Amino acid sequence: EAQVTQNPRYLITVTGKKLTVTCSQNMNHEYMSWYRQDPGLGLRQIYYSMNVEVTDKGDVPEGYKVSRKEKRNFPLILESPSPNQTSLYFCASISGTAYNEQFFGPGTRLTVL
Amino acid sequence: DAKTTQPNSMESNEEEPVHLPCNHSTISGTDYIHWYRQLPSQGPEYVIHGLTSNVNNRMASLAIAEDRKSSTLILHRATLRDAAVYYCIPPMWEKLVFGKGTKLTVNP
Repeated sequence: EAQVTQNPRYLITVTGKKLTVTCSQNMNHEYMSWYRQDPGLGLRQIYYSMNVEVTDKGDVPEGYKVSRKEKRNFPLILESPSPNQTSLYFCASISGTAYNEQFFGPGTRLTVL
Repeated sequence: DAKTTQPNSMESNEEEPVHLPCNHSTISGTDYIHWYRQLPSQGPEYVIHGLTSNVNNRMASLAIAEDRKSSTLILHRATLRDAAVYYCIPPMWEKLVFGKGTKLTVNP
């Protein structure tokens, strides 16, 4: 089954404690992306990756890092989380066809105290 | 960037058709129009896309105006499982720009 998986699904942490949210896809897609979703603000792109070792900033990259060492994985790293990063995070994998269908993971709800 | 306008909310009864409108007057001639939906507590999921002509798939139909300035997502028989936020999105290559979408309520 084609899918995007994220871990953990829920995380409560404290300010400054480094964390990583993993994302993995089994569709051999080259393109992957991270979004955050906040009430009233909709989904906003954090970072995206066009291929292994190729990443670029989205609309709200501050406070986040990503890496793409292999095609299937695209982890999101918060080096020093702050309360304003409390949000619902979605990873997406992009088909790369002419219409770029995106497949989203189930989401990670992060709370930073 | 192309922008879209959708009603904030719509309501339907179960088993009735639902027409969800979207205005995208600034869309370019080569942009596909995508629709996604987000069910409660889930990530967005792709529904349908189109360029110029009407499109059908197992989930919905998409009617695109001749001038491409608007489109309508059609759910032929709404079910309770169709209650979601529906997003009309003109995509960029690597990024989907999600607006606030239309929250569809389906009444039993």
